[in-house]
Amino acid sequence: DAKTTQPTSMDCAEGRAANLPCNHSTISGNEYVYWYRQIHSQGPQYIIHGLKNNETNEMASLIITEDRKSSTLILPHATLRDTAVYYCIAASSGNTGKLIFGQGTTLQVKP
Amino acid sequence: NAGVTQTPKFRVLKTGQSMTLLCAQDMNHEYMYWYRQDPGMGLRLIHYSVGEGTTAKGEVPDGYNVSRLKKQNFLLGLESAAPSQTSVYFCASSQSGGSGELFFGEGSRLTVL
Repeated sequence: DAKTTQPTSMDCAEGRAANLPCNHSTISGNEYVYWYRQIHSQGPQYIIHGLKNNETNEMASLIITEDRKSSTLILPHATLRDTAVYYCIAASSGNTGKLIFGQGTTLQVKP
Repeated sequence: NAGVTQTPKFRVLKTGQSMTLLCAQDMNHEYMYWYRQDPGMGLRLIHYSVGEGTTAKGEVPDGYNVSRLKKQNFLLGLESAAPSQTSVYFCASSQSGGSGELFFGEGSRLTVL
């Protein structure tokens, strides 16, 4: 699976959009981009995933560049409850689902 | 709908003792996983299972054994606990091994003295 690179930490003002970048320059054609988050010491929570096209759900939007070498997770209106560690993971569809988590980005939403 | 349930949530062991962590899921998922998370670190995959009766090694399998005798349960065993196994253990399950979502339990905090 491709290695991903994320900033260690980011701040965002409450109510503003949070844009979390992820670099996956060695991603291969059959690898999806997944985003999970972990609030405090809870179990990770799935947010969204995509292959080529941009994706949106009730939690967030995922923007993948045309060359698929990077992506951005967008939380449109960040709240204090969105403070968490966000993990970007690249994994192939045939990898039996096992995801390799890096250290992620710690997002601090400030009032 | 309980989702993924881990038992116990907290445990303190002495070096050399053995124990088993139980993960139970009620979503009829085929795939199950055990991860560990050390302070300030991301999750690392210990073992996983793609179906009842099957298990496979992940990134950090040494010192652990697993069993999947029933589809809904995935057991993680420590035969002789070591202080290096002090960690938070997370179980997860998914319906498919492809582009499916992983559902995680709330974690089991293990301390080995």
